[in-house]
Amino acid sequence: GAVVSQHPSRVICKSGTSVKIECRSLDFQATTMFWYRQFPKQSLMLMATSNEGSKATYEQGVEKDKFLINHASLTLSTLTVTSAHPEDSSFYICSARRAGESTEAFFGQGTRLTVV
Amino acid sequence: GENVEQHPSTLSVQEGDSAVIKCTYSDSASNYFPWYKQELGKRPQLIIDIRSNVGEKKDQRIAVTLNKTAKHFSLHITETQPEDSAVYFCAASKGGVTGGGNKLTFGTGTQLKVEL
Repeated sequence: GAVVSQHPSRVICKSGTSVKIECRSLDFQATTMFWYRQFPKQSLMLMATSNEGSKATYEQGVEKDKFLINHASLTLSTLTVTSAHPEDSSFYICSARRAGESTEAFFGQGTRLTVV
Repeated sequence: GENVEQHPSTLSVQEGDSAVIKCTYSDSASNYFPWYKQELGKRPQLIIDIRSNVGEKKDQRIAVTLNKTAKHFSLHITETQPEDSAVYFCAASKGGVTGGGNKLTFGTGTQLKVEL
């Protein structure tokens, strides 16, 4: 199978602090991973595309200095929400495709971030 | 960029009836169209997908049809069961392109409720 593991599944942090979310492909290599944000009862909105060994590509309107993405290996991408505020509270989900493949994407289980 | 519209936003059917969800896309270069089922607080799960070289695909009670000329595709669920209740998302991407060029663009989602 193709398993993507995301950690943590839930996190509560204080306003102004930073939170790191990890996305790992457990049994395949992923040169590209995608980070989404999903607000309650809404769709998945792509935040950025994470490329192994290079800078992430951010979607329009997403602050790259606030949402830091690092893809240091073929199996791990991290998203750091810096100086979190209550409006950053959301469900963050990553997905990954097998290296060299272009269709089916495999999703992590998501991270519920609550900023208090 | 790609824009995917999805209708209806909510759908209630009686158990055993059929459910149909429709999506349209804007980018004629898109050629991969997956459908995801998402239960509350969980990751999206791929239930069926179709590539642009075919017009229809079926897997037991689930089928997807694609009209490339009109740029729309539909999900058909027959003999619905209570466990089919969830949010369903359509998506589109340019399969055949690796890396970030094949990002998924999601529809707005359909809340399906199957009533006893």
